[in-house]
Amino acid sequence: GENVEQHPSTLSVQEGDSAVIKCTYSDSASNYFPWYKQELGKGPQLIIDIRSNVGEKKDQRIAVTLNKTAKHFSLHITETQPEDSAVYFCAASPLTGGGNKLTFGTGTQLKVEL
Amino acid sequence: GAVVSQHPSRVICKSGTSVKIECRSLDFQATTMFWYRQFPKQSLMLMATSNEGSKATYEQGVEKDKFLINHASLTLSTLTVTSAHPEDSSFYICSPASGGTDTQYFGPGTRLTVL
Repeated sequence: GENVEQHPSTLSVQEGDSAVIKCTYSDSASNYFPWYKQELGKGPQLIIDIRSNVGEKKDQRIAVTLNKTAKHFSLHITETQPEDSAVYFCAASPLTGGGNKLTFGTGTQLKVEL
Repeated sequence: GAVVSQHPSRVICKSGTSVKIECRSLDFQATTMFWYRQFPKQSLMLMATSNEGSKATYEQGVEKDKFLINHASLTLSTLTVTSAHPEDSSFYICSPASGGTDTQYFGPGTRLTVL
């Protein structure tokens, strides 16, 4: 089955700096890679996703890059703000066209300091 | 994104009792429902997948007789933790899906504490 590794487990940045979180996956059949933000006591919130037919996707301060050959993908957050502090999870799955059985990474606790 | 609700948001029960958690998909018809479990400071682990009107498929290591899933309608799925024990204390999160959409959204979660 799929195995997703995520690094770092914790990340502290100063407000305004960039944050980068990296994930690797093992199953070449995976072609859907979402990123979720989870605040304490809440469910995961989708922040961006990418499919294997593209190498990069951007949405305002958030971008994701995918290297399918190397089986790794990364989340980039620019101009970080205190409200970006949360746990971020990457995930991977094959697209089924009707719901994705996601395998999650181990999570990154991001702390944005003033 | 999709609107998903869970009820209750948190529940405390005594060991040996059963607890039912409801997940509602409020703005689309969920032909598939995924149930995840998350222990403190850990990642989400898939417990089971259910298709509307069918029996659920459970992941390895998840007891189907302990975690009963009902997905009788396209907008409601329930997870019942039977004979709950302290080790079942966790954060349970549902994720509905429908054919033709790739994006996966999650409910707000239910915090279960078994005393």
